[in-house]
Amino acid sequence: GAVVSQHPSRVICKSGTSVKIECRSLDFQATTMFWYRQFPKKSLMLMATSNEGSKATYEQGVEKDKFLINHASLTLSTLTVTSAHPEDSSFYICSASARGTYEQYFGPGTRLTVT
Amino acid sequence: QKEVEQNSGPLSVPEGAIASLNCTYSDRGSQSFFWYRQYSGKSPELIMSIYSNGDKEDGRFTAQLNKASQYVSLLIRDSQPSDSATYLCAVINAGGTSYGKLTFGQGTILTVHP
Repeated sequence: GAVVSQHPSRVICKSGTSVKIECRSLDFQATTMFWYRQFPKKSLMLMATSNEGSKATYEQGVEKDKFLINHASLTLSTLTVTSAHPEDSSFYICSASARGTYEQYFGPGTRLTVT
Repeated sequence: QKEVEQNSGPLSVPEGAIASLNCTYSDRGSQSFFWYRQYSGKSPELIMSIYSNGDKEDGRFTAQLNKASQYVSLLIRDSQPSDSATYLCAVINAGGTSYGKLTFGQGTILTVHP
């Protein structure tokens, strides 16, 4: 149990375009989803926390207008990187928690390359 | 002082040995503690969660929590080369505005050599 999927696993886009990443909880209802990014050989950095049906809470320094998060259902959250630039190239990982629990289960990640 | 501290390693153990990974945290009110394993280029995988003082065993893994000392550890028995990865200690701090937000240590790189 506790499987989280992400799509796509890898994406290459041109500078200035937008990219949408989907995160799904496959066998449980995820009341809270988290979005992280990780640069090579660095720690995970939390970008935002989203609760189903609510606006996401962004961490300090993360631009909410650039990284649009939608958590429209108990099994789906999306992250849209708008007007992507090469410095946005990174490994984006989502995680999900079920109601009343603290365990976070991570998706497999999406590797974004902006050219 | 970092909120969650781990020895970054690398920790090298021979196959079949016990690997001991340690973590300290600064928020005395923390209630929930987790160990994740992350292989290079992959996302973290939850190995253990522990909430009460004492030991919790799951297969070859044992998590130990001592809230008085603000210390949590992970023991891996009969270590295998496939256990070679970065092990992340994560804590949920008491209070705060973000429900369930994890604070990660910097990770310990474990290498199990044949």
